[in-house]
Amino acid sequence: AQKITQTQPGMFVQEKEAVTLDCTYDTSDPSYGLFWYKQPSSGEMIFLIYQGSYDQQNATEGRYSLNFQKARKSANLVISASQLGDSAMYFCAMRRAGFKTIFGAGTRLFVKA
Amino acid sequence: DGGITQSPKYLFRKEGQNVTLSCEQNLNHDAMYWYRQDPGQGLRLIYYSQIVNDFQKGDIAEGYSVSREKKESFPLTVTSAQKNPTAFYLCASSLTGGSTYEQYFGPGTRLTVT
Repeated sequence: AQKITQTQPGMFVQEKEAVTLDCTYDTSDPSYGLFWYKQPSSGEMIFLIYQGSYDQQNATEGRYSLNFQKARKSANLVISASQLGDSAMYFCAMRRAGFKTIFGAGTRLFVKA
Repeated sequence: DGGITQSPKYLFRKEGQNVTLSCEQNLNHDAMYWYRQDPGQGLRLIYYSQIVNDFQKGDIAEGYSVSREKKESFPLTVTSAQKNPTAFYLCASSLTGGSTYEQYFGPGTRLTVT
């Protein structure tokens, strides 16, 4: 069965330090896409970064990078130089065939001043 | 500015009543989606549509219905058959061409049924 697992319900990080949020996935499809979204307390989902299953290099977008290890089926999000505004829920998601996307349960990140 | 609007932000209904949540986008996206989020959980797909006049059930479609008469609009009706309708509902849209298909989300509607 296709599944996304985020094993860290909550994480704390000191401001200006880096943090890694874990995500593992399970699929038998050769072609898939992996996403990370941020959900602040306001509720809307904000797209952060994308990794395609055939991409050779890890994706990066500003302070966000995705550590993609295909053989281990993991797609961890790394946030460098954490800021107070990074405090939010973070969701890992996988696009399946036909545009259907499944989401993990999320990790709540707390950034400490 | 392009984006997705959902209204209202908060909605209250009595049990047994149908209620329709609106979703409008001006991003010229072909695909639209409805998700449900319960407290402390991730998003679950209710329905999605890749083109006007066509839509498919997601993982939790029972008790919900949708229509897609216009490209810009994808309203969701929560029927009285939905056993636990109280939740946060998010609408999204995406391109169907290109390489990433990331979804853009609206601000959500928080539905409370008593």
